[in-house]
Amino acid sequence: DIQMTQSPSSLSASVGDRVTITCRASQGIGNDLGWFQQKPGKAPKRLIYAASTLQGGVPSRFSGSASGTEFTLTISSLQPEDFATYYCLQHNTYPYTFGQGTKLEIK
Amino acid sequence: EVQLVESGGGLVQPGGSLRLSCEASGFTFSTYWMSWVRQAPGKGLEWVANIKYEGSEKNYVDSVRGRFTISRDDAKNSLYLQLNSLRVEDTAVYHCAKGGHLDSWGQGTLVTVSS
Repeated sequence: DIQMTQSPSSLSASVGDRVTITCRASQGIGNDLGWFQQKPGKAPKRLIYAASTLQGGVPSRFSGSASGTEFTLTISSLQPEDFATYYCLQHNTYPYTFGQGTKLEIK
Repeated sequence: EVQLVESGGGLVQPGGSLRLSCEASGFTFSTYWMSWVRQAPGKGLEWVANIKYEGSEKNYVDSVRGRFTISRDDAKNSLYLQLNSLRVEDTAVYHCAKGGHLDSWGQGTLVTVSS
């Protein structure tokens, strides 16, 4: 199975900060990666697909990038509603696998 | 607007069975892959299975293969997951999701496996 190593597992930041979350795949997955946001008690929501394409309706402060097997989610200026848990997902090879999650908390 | 509504969860003893359903609306269900993802209490997300449009291809994570069966009824815009030989470690909220790449999700239904 492809392992998705996500870091950090938790992150404290302030409104207005720029934050970066990284997922590293254990083997090549092309750009077959998505980023998801989950708030407590809610269903996950897709933010980014194909590594860098913004889902419709998602604010432009979210962006994704890829370099080889390393993928990055960046939030350019944190807003109060962005405090949540974030997951990456590879959908290149079965079984599809998620990263362990990054809990973004208010400092 | 895409809506996915899961049902069928509940409390079941180890070794028991359940059938989960997901009713879809707001898109042309028959033309999309559909997926199931689960989340154990306090844990991360785990992809479980998906099914191609027309049901011609099904894929499973190893931990459920042979015990769970994904299916669909395009006439009813519905997705199903039959859970057999349930184990304590299958306890989770089960979400259905639109597409192979999970572009929209339902709220989920809780399955608790306990004696």
